[in-house]
Amino acid sequence: KNQVEQSPQSLIILEGKNCTLQCNYTVSPFSNLRWYKQDTGRGPVSLTIMTFSENTKSNGRYTATLDADTKQSSLHITASQLSDSASYICVVRDDKIIFGKGTRLHILP
Amino acid sequence: DAGVTQSPTHLIKTRGQQVTLRCSPKSGHDTVSWYQQALGQGPQFIFQYYEEEERQRGNFPDRFSGHQFPNYSSELNVNALLLGDSALYLCASSIGQGLNTIYFGEGSWLTVV
Repeated sequence: KNQVEQSPQSLIILEGKNCTLQCNYTVSPFSNLRWYKQDTGRGPVSLTIMTFSENTKSNGRYTATLDADTKQSSLHITASQLSDSASYICVVRDDKIIFGKGTRLHILP
Repeated sequence: DAGVTQSPTHLIKTRGQQVTLRCSPKSGHDTVSWYQQALGQGPQFIFQYYEEEERQRGNFPDRFSGHQFPNYSSELNVNALLLGDSALYLCASSIGQGLNTIYFGEGSWLTVV
Protein backbone atom coordinates (compact mmCIF):
# COMPACT_ATOMS: atom_id res chain seq x y z
CA LYS A 1 0.00 0.00 0.00
CA ASN A 2 1.34 3.40 -0.96
CA GLN A 3 2.24 5.37 2.14
CA VAL A 4 1.17 8.62 0.47
CA GLU A 5 -2.32 8.67 -1.04
CA GLN A 6 -3.59 11.61 -3.06
CA SER A 7 -7.09 12.46 -4.14
CA PRO A 8 -8.70 13.07 -6.46
CA GLN A 9 -6.69 11.30 -9.13
CA SER A 10 -7.71 13.98 -11.60
CA LEU A 11 -9.75 17.16 -11.45
CA ILE A 12 -11.23 19.51 -14.04
CA ILE A 13 -12.31 23.04 -13.09
CA LEU A 14 -13.06 26.29 -14.86
CA GLU A 15 -10.55 29.11 -14.92
CA GLY A 16 -11.03 31.44 -11.97
CA LYS A 17 -12.48 28.79 -9.67
CA ASN A 18 -10.85 27.50 -6.50
CA CYS A 19 -9.96 23.88 -5.79
CA THR A 20 -8.50 21.74 -3.03
CA LEU A 21 -6.28 18.71 -3.44
CA GLN A 22 -5.87 16.14 -0.69
CA CYS A 23 -2.93 14.11 0.59
CA ASN A 24 -3.16 11.42 3.27
CA TYR A 25 -0.05 9.71 4.53
CA THR A 26 0.90 6.90 6.86
CA VAL A 27 4.63 7.68 6.92
CA SER A 28 6.02 7.64 10.44
CA PRO A 29 8.08 9.19 11.89
CA PHE A 30 7.39 12.27 9.87
CA SER A 31 10.02 14.86 8.99
CA ASN A 32 8.40 17.21 6.50
CA LEU A 33 5.83 17.36 3.72
CA ARG A 34 6.18 19.09 0.37
CA TRP A 35 3.85 19.89 -2.46
CA TYR A 36 5.33 19.93 -5.94
CA LYS A 37 3.89 21.14 -9.23
CA GLN A 38 4.90 19.16 -12.28
CA ASP A 39 4.08 20.36 -15.77
CA THR A 40 3.76 17.62 -18.36
CA GLY A 41 7.19 16.33 -19.34
CA ARG A 42 8.99 18.65 -16.96
CA GLY A 43 10.68 18.20 -13.61
CA PRO A 44 8.74 18.86 -10.40
CA VAL A 45 8.98 22.33 -8.87
CA SER A 46 8.57 22.84 -5.14
CA LEU A 47 5.55 24.88 -4.02
CA THR A 48 5.60 24.54 -0.23
CA ILE A 49 7.37 22.67 2.53
CA MET A 50 5.99 22.14 6.02
CA THR A 51 7.34 20.51 9.14
CA PHE A 52 5.09 18.76 11.65
CA SER A 53 4.73 21.93 13.73
CA GLU A 54 3.36 24.04 10.86
CA ASN A 55 -0.35 24.15 10.05
CA THR A 56 -0.43 26.43 7.04
CA LYS A 57 2.02 27.64 4.41
CA SER A 58 1.20 29.94 1.52
CA ASN A 59 2.94 30.61 -1.75
CA GLY A 60 0.97 33.14 -3.77
CA ARG A 61 -2.32 31.55 -4.80
CA TYR A 62 -1.26 28.22 -3.31
CA THR A 63 -2.02 27.47 0.36
CA ALA A 64 -1.01 24.19 1.95
CA THR A 65 -2.39 22.94 5.25
CA LEU A 66 -1.12 20.15 7.44
CA ASP A 67 -2.77 18.20 10.25
CA ALA A 68 -0.02 16.03 11.70
CA ASP A 69 -2.47 14.34 14.08
CA THR A 70 -4.70 13.00 11.33
CA LYS A 71 -1.80 12.80 8.85
CA GLN A 72 -3.60 14.83 6.26
CA SER A 73 -2.51 17.70 4.07
CA SER A 74 -4.33 19.77 1.51
CA LEU A 75 -3.29 22.15 -1.23
CA HIS A 76 -5.77 24.91 -1.97
CA ILE A 77 -5.49 26.84 -5.23
CA THR A 78 -7.28 30.17 -5.38
CA ALA A 79 -8.54 31.86 -8.54
CA SER A 80 -7.14 29.17 -10.82
CA GLN A 81 -5.35 30.09 -14.02
CA LEU A 82 -4.78 28.10 -17.20
CA SER A 83 -1.11 27.77 -16.23
CA ASP A 84 -2.16 25.85 -13.11
CA SER A 85 -2.89 22.85 -15.34
CA ALA A 86 -0.34 20.33 -14.13
CA SER A 87 0.17 17.39 -11.79
CA TYR A 88 0.46 18.20 -8.11
CA ILE A 89 2.53 15.77 -6.11
CA CYS A 90 2.60 15.35 -2.34
CA VAL A 91 5.96 14.22 -0.97
CA VAL A 92 6.51 13.05 2.59
CA ARG A 93 9.82 12.42 4.24
CA ASP A 94 10.94 10.25 7.10
CA ASP A 95 14.38 8.79 6.43
CA LYS A 96 13.29 8.25 2.84
CA ILE A 97 11.43 10.43 0.38
CA ILE A 98 8.02 9.04 -0.50
CA PHE A 99 6.03 10.44 -3.41
CA GLY A 100 2.31 10.30 -3.96
CA LYS A 101 1.07 9.49 -7.45
CA GLY A 102 -0.17 13.03 -7.90
CA THR A 103 -3.41 14.74 -8.82
CA ARG A 104 -3.77 15.76 -12.44
CA LEU A 105 -5.44 19.19 -12.57
CA HIS A 106 -6.98 20.54 -15.77
CA ILE A 107 -8.08 24.17 -15.94
CA LEU A 108 -10.60 24.93 -18.67
CA PRO A 109 -11.06 28.44 -20.14
CA ASP B 1 22.96 30.28 -11.36
CA ALA B 2 22.21 27.13 -13.30
CA GLY B 3 19.84 24.74 -11.68
CA VAL B 4 19.96 20.99 -12.05
CA THR B 5 20.82 20.09 -15.63
CA GLN B 6 20.25 16.73 -17.25
CA SER B 7 21.24 15.25 -20.57
CA PRO B 8 20.08 14.06 -22.96
CA THR B 9 16.53 15.41 -22.83
CA HIS B 10 15.14 12.65 -25.02
CA LEU B 11 16.50 9.40 -26.35
CA ILE B 12 15.32 6.19 -27.94
CA LYS B 13 17.01 2.87 -27.31
CA THR B 14 16.41 -0.69 -28.40
CA ARG B 15 15.56 -3.45 -25.97
CA GLY B 16 18.75 -5.04 -24.61
CA GLN B 17 20.89 -1.97 -25.11
CA GLN B 18 22.55 0.09 -22.42
CA VAL B 19 21.99 3.76 -21.64
CA THR B 20 23.82 6.43 -19.65
CA LEU B 21 22.03 9.54 -18.37
CA ARG B 22 23.89 12.50 -16.93
CA CYS B 23 23.14 15.06 -14.26
CA SER B 24 24.89 18.18 -13.02
CA PRO B 25 23.60 19.33 -9.64
CA LYS B 26 22.68 22.86 -8.73
CA SER B 27 25.67 24.96 -7.76
CA GLY B 28 26.60 24.33 -4.13
CA HIS B 29 24.76 21.00 -3.95
CA ASP B 30 26.69 17.82 -3.24
CA THR B 31 24.01 15.13 -3.18
CA VAL B 32 22.31 13.66 -6.22
CA SER B 33 19.26 11.41 -6.27
CA TRP B 34 17.75 9.65 -9.27
CA TYR B 35 14.08 8.89 -9.83
CA GLN B 36 12.11 6.99 -12.45
CA GLN B 37 8.70 8.35 -13.35
CA ALA B 38 6.42 6.27 -15.55
CA LEU B 39 3.61 8.00 -17.39
CA GLY B 40 0.83 8.97 -14.98
CA GLN B 41 2.75 7.89 -11.92
CA GLY B 42 4.69 9.66 -9.20
CA PRO B 43 8.49 9.47 -9.22
CA GLN B 44 10.03 6.29 -7.82
CA PHE B 45 13.33 6.56 -5.96
CA ILE B 46 16.22 4.72 -7.61
CA PHE B 47 19.24 5.71 -5.53
CA GLN B 48 21.11 8.58 -3.93
CA TYR B 49 24.79 9.51 -4.19
CA TYR B 50 26.72 11.50 -1.63
CA GLU B 51 30.51 11.82 -1.37
CA GLU B 52 30.82 9.65 -4.48
CA GLU B 53 29.12 6.68 -2.82
CA GLU B 54 25.66 5.19 -3.17
CA ARG B 55 23.99 5.96 0.16
CA GLN B 56 20.42 4.78 -0.33
CA ARG B 57 18.75 2.59 -2.89
CA GLY B 58 15.17 2.00 -3.86
CA ASN B 59 13.61 -1.19 -5.14
CA PHE B 60 15.41 -1.35 -8.48
CA PRO B 61 17.42 -4.25 -9.93
CA ASP B 62 21.17 -4.26 -10.32
CA ARG B 63 20.72 -3.32 -13.98
CA PHE B 64 20.42 0.20 -12.60
CA SER B 65 23.76 1.55 -11.48
CA GLY B 66 25.25 4.94 -10.96
CA HIS B 67 28.26 6.99 -10.27
CA GLN B 68 29.09 10.33 -8.71
CA PHE B 69 32.17 12.26 -9.74
CA PRO B 70 34.38 14.52 -7.60
CA ASN B 71 32.62 17.58 -9.06
CA TYR B 72 29.32 16.11 -7.71
CA SER B 73 27.91 15.38 -11.15
CA SER B 74 26.36 11.98 -11.57
CA GLU B 75 25.51 9.33 -14.12
CA LEU B 76 22.72 6.78 -14.17
CA ASN B 77 23.42 3.62 -16.16
CA VAL B 78 20.80 1.09 -17.15
CA ASN B 79 21.88 -2.20 -18.72
CA ALA B 80 19.88 -4.75 -20.69
CA LEU B 81 17.04 -2.31 -21.29
CA LEU B 82 13.49 -3.56 -21.09
CA LEU B 83 10.39 -2.02 -22.62
CA GLY B 84 9.24 -1.26 -19.08
CA ASP B 85 12.25 0.98 -18.53
CA SER B 86 10.61 3.60 -20.74
CA ALA B 87 10.04 6.57 -18.45
CA LEU B 88 11.09 10.05 -17.45
CA TYR B 89 14.27 9.86 -15.40
CA LEU B 90 14.59 12.73 -12.96
CA CYS B 91 17.71 13.89 -11.18
CA ALA B 92 17.39 15.85 -7.95
CA SER B 93 20.14 17.62 -6.05
CA SER B 94 20.40 18.82 -2.49
CA ILE B 95 22.89 19.88 0.15
CA GLY B 96 23.87 16.90 2.26
CA GLN B 97 21.37 14.10 2.52
CA GLY B 98 18.54 16.28 3.80
CA LEU B 99 15.43 17.16 1.83
CA ASN B 100 15.08 20.81 2.63
CA THR B 101 16.83 22.14 -0.47
CA ILE B 102 15.99 19.53 -3.07
CA TYR B 103 15.71 20.71 -6.67
CA PHE B 104 14.74 18.64 -9.69
CA GLY B 105 16.09 18.75 -13.22
CA GLU B 106 13.81 18.69 -16.24
CA GLY B 107 14.40 15.00 -16.75
CA SER B 108 15.53 12.68 -19.50
CA TRP B 109 12.81 10.95 -21.49
CA LEU B 110 13.85 7.39 -22.32
CA THR B 111 11.86 5.35 -24.80
CA VAL B 112 12.78 1.69 -25.23
CA VAL B 113 11.51 0.07 -28.41
